[in-house]
Amino acid sequence: DAGVIQSPRHEVTEMGQEVTLRCKPISGHNSLFWYRQTMMRGLELLIYFNNNVPIDDSGMPEDRFSAKMPNASFSTLKIQPSEPRDSAVYFCASSLELSQPQHFGDGTRLSIL
Amino acid sequence: RKEVEQDPGPFNVPEGATVAFNCTYSNSASQSFFWYRQDCRKEPKLLMSVYSSGNEDGRFTAQLNRASQYISLLIRDSKLSDSATYLCVVNWGDSSYKLIFGSGTRLLVRP
Repeated sequence: DAGVIQSPRHEVTEMGQEVTLRCKPISGHNSLFWYRQTMMRGLELLIYFNNNVPIDDSGMPEDRFSAKMPNASFSTLKIQPSEPRDSAVYFCASSLELSQPQHFGDGTRLSIL
Repeated sequence: RKEVEQDPGPFNVPEGATVAFNCTYSNSASQSFFWYRQDCRKEPKLLMSVYSSGNEDGRFTAQLNRASQYISLLIRDSKLSDSATYLCVVNWGDSSYKLIFGSGTRLLVRP
């Protein structure tokens, strides 16, 4: 069975550029989550969706970050403009329902120069 | 007080040892509890859910103490492959499905 699929696996770009991270949740899962992980702050929830609707975006650090889920099988996290402090591993996770355990993708390792 | 607190370790134990991790959480309204495992440069993976009555999965036993607001994970007969970071995860209150991850406890199992 296919798990959560994220792309790209790695992204290196210069500050000021727009970055788009992509996620395909596990088929049949109704909830999708975006996380960011750094050494300093650990794993932080940025935003989550239920049935394609954003439920809580209080973890999004600032207006430079935006996320969309146009359909049940696709979500994007966009950073515009990117800054060096955005460098981190970004994980997408999905679950059958909101209260069920979450399954993580392999992550996108983002480096902003 | 941090929402979810764990001893960062590392716990360095020989193969075959029994090792226990504890985790405390600050929100008494939390209802869901999990242990995740994360290998170096990999994604977190669900190890087990934690139920009120305690539960066991092979060599792994999880316990929940609601009164004291802590969760524990016991690993018996540890294997080299158990070396990883173990993340304690708690939902943020009964009206929220937001999961809060602890910073993790690192386990090193040596030959």
